[in-house]
Amino acid sequence: DVKVTQSSRYLVKRTGEKVFLECVQDMDHENMFWYRQDPGLGLRLIYFSYDVKMKEKGDIPEGYSVSREKKERFSLILESASTNQTSMYLCASSSGGTSGPDTGELFFGEGSRLTVL
Amino acid sequence: QKEVEQNSGPLSVPEGAIASLNCTYSDRVSQSFFWYRQYSGKSPELIMSIYSNGDKEDGRFTAQLNKASQYVSLLIRDSQPSDSATYLCALLRGGYQKVTFGTGTKLQVIP
Repeated sequence: DVKVTQSSRYLVKRTGEKVFLECVQDMDHENMFWYRQDPGLGLRLIYFSYDVKMKEKGDIPEGYSVSREKKERFSLILESASTNQTSMYLCASSSGGTSGPDTGELFFGEGSRLTVL
Repeated sequence: QKEVEQNSGPLSVPEGAIASLNCTYSDRVSQSFFWYRQYSGKSPELIMSIYSNGDKEDGRFTAQLNKASQYVSLLIRDSQPSDSATYLCALLRGGYQKVTFGTGTKLQVIP
């Protein structure tokens, strides 16, 4: 089974803190994604990566950055957390990218619920 | 106009009935379409994918795609209380890795 593991299920941070959300997948997938999910707004793509050290902005990249130093790991960074970044963050992976066609089948981690006070 | 639009619901159906979930999209370039199911407090999981016009059946689930009218639907036959969840419509545009989701339709199956 594909496994996408997010490092923290629940985090509480203060405004201005730097926040790291880690995601690891074990299926050798090329593509990795960070979404946030908010009531009424659905899943919105923050950033994605189709290869090591490659990244592309999604629909709402402002206030976020990412890092992909190894194929299996994709990190989301909030440089200075703000209250409007309180949300559920979902990491996902899929096959394709530079090595083949994209299937569009995403495998999600369990999510990280971040509260910024 | 949103790229993917769904009625948020809730859609309530009695147990054993057919649940019909609909989705429209705005970009004619979209090539691949998906239905994800998300139980409360859980992550989305893929239940159906469809790439060409027509129907695709998998057990109690049937996905329907009409590219000319730009809509995708999901039919759930013999609905069960365990089908109660939010159903997310998603699409993948050709040449891009980005999957775009609708806001989801909440389905409630009443015993």
